[in-house]
Amino acid sequence: NAGVTQTPKFRILKIGQSMTLQCAQDMNHNYMYWYRQDPGMGLKLIYYSVGAGITDKGEVPNGYNVSRSTTEDFPLRLELAAPSQTSVYFCASRTSGATDTQYFGPGTRLTVL
Amino acid sequence: DQQVKQNSPSLSVQEGRISILNCDYTNSMFDYFLWYKKYPAEGPTFLISISSIKDKNEDGRFTVFLNKSAKHLSLHIVPSQPGDSAVYFCAARQYGGATNKLIFGTGTLLAVQP
Repeated sequence: NAGVTQTPKFRILKIGQSMTLQCAQDMNHNYMYWYRQDPGMGLKLIYYSVGAGITDKGEVPNGYNVSRSTTEDFPLRLELAAPSQTSVYFCASRTSGATDTQYFGPGTRLTVL
Repeated sequence: DQQVKQNSPSLSVQEGRISILNCDYTNSMFDYFLWYKKYPAEGPTFLISISSIKDKNEDGRFTVFLNKSAKHLSLHIVPSQPGDSAVYFCAARQYGGATNKLIFGTGTLLAVQP
């Protein structure tokens, strides 16, 4: 199993550009999450999904959109990139169950100039 | 409003000694706590967890202690090894049924000196 994969690893965007951060998992997990991590800060939840076709906002959703058309994929869309979106983005997934052990991808480092 | 706090940004210990990483929380409704470890340029990886109905959980060199009355948990690593050098995040579960969310602390950078 590859686990949780994310592409690209690095990206530089200009202000106003758009892009999609890709996330895929091969563990058949229902739950998927997008986080951002700013320097010296913890992980902040952007969006999450409890299954295909179901998404909801997290703590910091402004400026982002998501979709979940399949169990495996959970892309994160930035429509009009802003410098405040410079961050490291992590995708995570977990199975249903009593614990909340989330499995994380390697991250995408995004810089908006 | 930071509900999960790790007040020590960094910690340095000698190889073979004990590392103690601390975490405080404010929400008494948190019912499950996790520690994650993160190496540079990698995603966080799960390390150990504890339910709020317990006060201790052990896994090899790693032990997590929970003091509910003080809203405090700690991670003990004994003995510490250079490979343990990483950022450690504490996380707390905000129970919501199918929509459980994890609230993360800001992390503590542990450096284990050979």
